[in-house]
Amino acid sequence: EAQVTQNPRYLITVTGKKLTVTCSQNMNHEYMSWYRQDPGLGLRQIYYSMNVEVTDKGDVPEGYKVSRKEKRNFPLILESPSPNQTSLYFCASSLSGGQGAAQPQHFGDGTRLSIL
Amino acid sequence: QQQVKQSPQSLIVQKGGISIINCAYENTAFDYFPWYQQFPGKGPALLIAIRPDVSEKKEGRFTISFNKSAKQFSLHIMDSQPGDSATYFCAASRRAELIFGQGTTLQVKP
Repeated sequence: EAQVTQNPRYLITVTGKKLTVTCSQNMNHEYMSWYRQDPGLGLRQIYYSMNVEVTDKGDVPEGYKVSRKEKRNFPLILESPSPNQTSLYFCASSLSGGQGAAQPQHFGDGTRLSIL
Repeated sequence: QQQVKQSPQSLIVQKGGISIINCAYENTAFDYFPWYQQFPGKGPALLIAIRPDVSEKKEGRFTISFNKSAKQFSLHIMDSQPGDSATYFCAASRRAELIFGQGTTLQVKP
């Protein structure tokens, strides 16, 4: 089954404690992306990756890091989380980046992070 | 600065009615305009999308209308059903970036 898998689904942690949210896709997609969803703001793009070792900032990259060492994985790293990063996070993937293909076809089911 | 503005924030429609959600964008460099549907506890799912050289696209009960000169586009859901109750997001894409609207929560009453 084609899917994007995020882990964990839920996490409550404290300010400053480094955390990683994993994302894996089994569709051999080149393009992957991270978003955060906040009420009244929709989804905002954090980082995206056009292919292995190619990453770029989205709309709201501050406080986040990503890496793309393998095609299937695109982890999101919060090195020193703060309460304003409490949000619902989504990973997504698409066959390729470029016109029309930048819109992710497959989203994961989300990771709800609470940072106290 | 919200590059894609979506309205209304919420919408209640009777079963069989037409649901209309509107979006406006600012950046004329956007070259792809998708709509996403999201159910509680799930990620958004691509519903329908349009390119700016097309004024209308229809897929089943879902239609996108696109007005390039006004920089506006809208989603029409014909014969709305209770199963359409969800949150809908418009978006605009430029190269690898994807900018979402704020979302519209649609409730279709039986």
